Amino acid sequence: AQKVTQAQTEISVVEKEDVTLDCVYETRDTTYYLFWYKQPPSGELVFLIRRNSFDEQNEISGRYSWNFQKSTSSFNFTITASQVVDSAVYFCALSEYSTSGTYKYIFGTGTRLKVLA
Amino acid sequence: KAGVTQTPRYLIKTRGQQVTLSCSPISGHRSVSWYQQTPGQGLQFLFEYFSETQRNKGNFPGRFSGRQFSNSRSEMNVSTLELGDSALYLCASSLFASGGPPDTQYFGPGTRLTVL
Repeated sequence: AQKVTQAQTEISVVEKEDVTLDCVYETRDTTYYLFWYKQPPSGELVFLIRRNSFDEQNEISGRYSWNFQKSTSSFNFTITASQVVDSAVYFCALSEYSTSGTYKYIFGTGTRLKVLA
Repeated sequence: KAGVTQTPRYLIKTRGQQVTLSCSPISGHRSVSWYQQTPGQGLQFLFEYFSETQRNKGNFPGRFSGRQFSNSRSEMNVSTLELGDSALYLCASSLFASGGPPDTQYFGPGTRLTVL
């Protein structure tokens, strides 16, 4: 079963529009961690945010904001006033405790965001 | 602080050959994880090393192997290459204290492997 679902495969917006990328996760653990990464065309995944399951406070960082709702198992990412440089693939990831006694990362399939000038 | 470095950045091999990819983590990071990224399968976890020991392993055949050295540098090896092994191989490093909550993974630029 898919543990991290990013239902939006590709989104296109015009510059300055706001856009929200959805992430729905599935876990039985009470302690887990959620992440967002950005992958520009260069290929390197760039860390954006980390959130643990006990911290439901929304976060804003410049034009980026994240909405974490445990009740709906969602961790959505909003870019305000999008810019062409925001064009990339965005990945949501879940880290939960594995049977090996460590945490494992599970990535969603990514959402490709195209911001048009 | 220098980021995660991976060498080589691009590689072309033929079926049946073997390949070794290298990853140098961020200084001070002791955990290294490897991922395979393909358009069809997305990011798939290969394995994780911590203090020269494999701690986690994904669902890949035995042709995929790895190791970590005392300086935390890691290598992964793919033997008897198949066309389906063509992918971007990403390495990620983290501080990762044993048994503790997961530290953030920081990724390298990847090695793009093409198998002909």
